[in-house]
Amino acid sequence: GENVEQHPSTLSVQEGDSAVIKCTYSDSASNYFPWYKQELGKRPQLIIDIRSNVGEKKDQRIAVTLNKTAKHFSLHITETQPEDSAVYFCAAIGRGATNKLIFGTGTLLAVQP
Amino acid sequence: GAGVSQSPSNKVTEKGKDVELRCDPISGHTALYWYRQSLGQGLEFLIYFQGNSAPDKSGLPSDRFSAERTGGSVSTLTIQRTQQEDSAVYLCASTTGSGGELFFGEGSRLTVL
Repeated sequence: GENVEQHPSTLSVQEGDSAVIKCTYSDSASNYFPWYKQELGKRPQLIIDIRSNVGEKKDQRIAVTLNKTAKHFSLHITETQPEDSAVYFCAAIGRGATNKLIFGTGTLLAVQP
Repeated sequence: GAGVSQSPSNKVTEKGKDVELRCDPISGHTALYWYRQSLGQGLEFLIYFQGNSAPDKSGLPSDRFSAERTGGSVSTLTIQRTQQEDSAVYLCASTTGSGGELFFGEGSRLTVL
């Protein structure tokens, strides 16, 4: 089945700096890679996703890149703000029998004002 | 309803007791997930329901855990003979199908004394 690894587990940046979170996946048939943000005490919410037919997707200050050959994808946040502080989860969905979504272990991002 | 509803929001029980957690997904969503999130940890996959297909139970940690989804809508996660290590937030999420955005409920926080 699919296995998703995520690094780093914690990340501290100064406000205005960029943050990068990286994930690798095991199932070469995986075709959908979303990122979720979970603020303290709240439910996870989708912030951006990418499908295997594109290499990069951008939405304002956030972008995701996908390298299918290396089986890794990354989240990039530019011009970080204190409200970006949260736990970020990457995920991957395979094309196996049940196509379930498997999450990485999460990255706690702290943006220091 | 407008979103995924879970109940109870908090449950405190004694070791050895059985508990039932309920999830009411967004109307029309054919897929439903249960995840477990221990304090400060990631989203551990438990079980996945997709339409009328047999559920993917590969994430259930032991035979004390079971789940059902009646009529393709409401789902119940049952934990028998609870143990202290079962203490966690149990999150339910629904989606329109494979490769779609997951909408999470607020979660059920289970504390086993």
